[in-house]
Amino acid sequence: ELQLVQSGAEVKKPGESLKISCKGSGDRFSSYWIAWVRQMPGKGLEWMGVIYAGDSETKYSPAFEGQVTISADKSISTAYLQWSSLKASDTAMYYCARPRPGFHYYYGLDVWGQGTTVTVSS
Amino acid sequence: DIQMTQSPSSLSASVGDSVTITCRTSQSISSYLNWYQQSPGKAPKLLIFEASTLQSGVPSRFTGSGSGTDFTLTINSLQPEDFATYYCQQSYTTPPAFGQGTKVEIK
Repeated sequence: ELQLVQSGAEVKKPGESLKISCKGSGDRFSSYWIAWVRQMPGKGLEWMGVIYAGDSETKYSPAFEGQVTISADKSISTAYLQWSSLKASDTAMYYCARPRPGFHYYYGLDVWGQGTTVTVSS
Repeated sequence: DIQMTQSPSSLSASVGDSVTITCRTSQSISSYLNWYQQSPGKAPKLLIFEASTLQSGVPSRFTGSGSGTDFTLTINSLQPEDFATYYCQQSYTTPPAFGQGTKVEIK
């Protein structure tokens, strides 16, 4: 059964770059889509985008297009979320999660990572 | 984009009570509606998909219903571990938006 383990908490300054990771267990990682979900402090869940680990096809929510980059390295079963220039408003918890396999990439998310806290402050 | 509206935003209940949370969408989504539970400090957990199908391992006291634009999540006989925030999410089209959440608190 797939498990997703995310990288640790990050504290960054505005303008810095950052790449966080989500590593999958098991040998079928390349056959899954992996999504990223943002949760700002005290707020709800926001679907950011998704990547197919097999060929790195990506889909972004319009709200996040151009703001972040989603990538993957199937050889090490890892998906990434990165920023080129962080803003204070990027402070949030970020989750990776798997859409139910065998369906569209926007289907329900049945496996979740534990989350990565990103704090951006001067 | 499809807009999601959950109500209420919060509610108070006691152990053993039954509660119902409503989710309304801005356009018909057939039965492509999911429900999640998020306990404090934890990642969300998928409870129900396709409006009424229980995810494996989820207790039967959780029931989902609805189609089109109106959906409900009912929790029968609330247990202490059920006090959490619940989110609906549509899976009809991209982006798969979430509702704003309903916090179920202990009375």
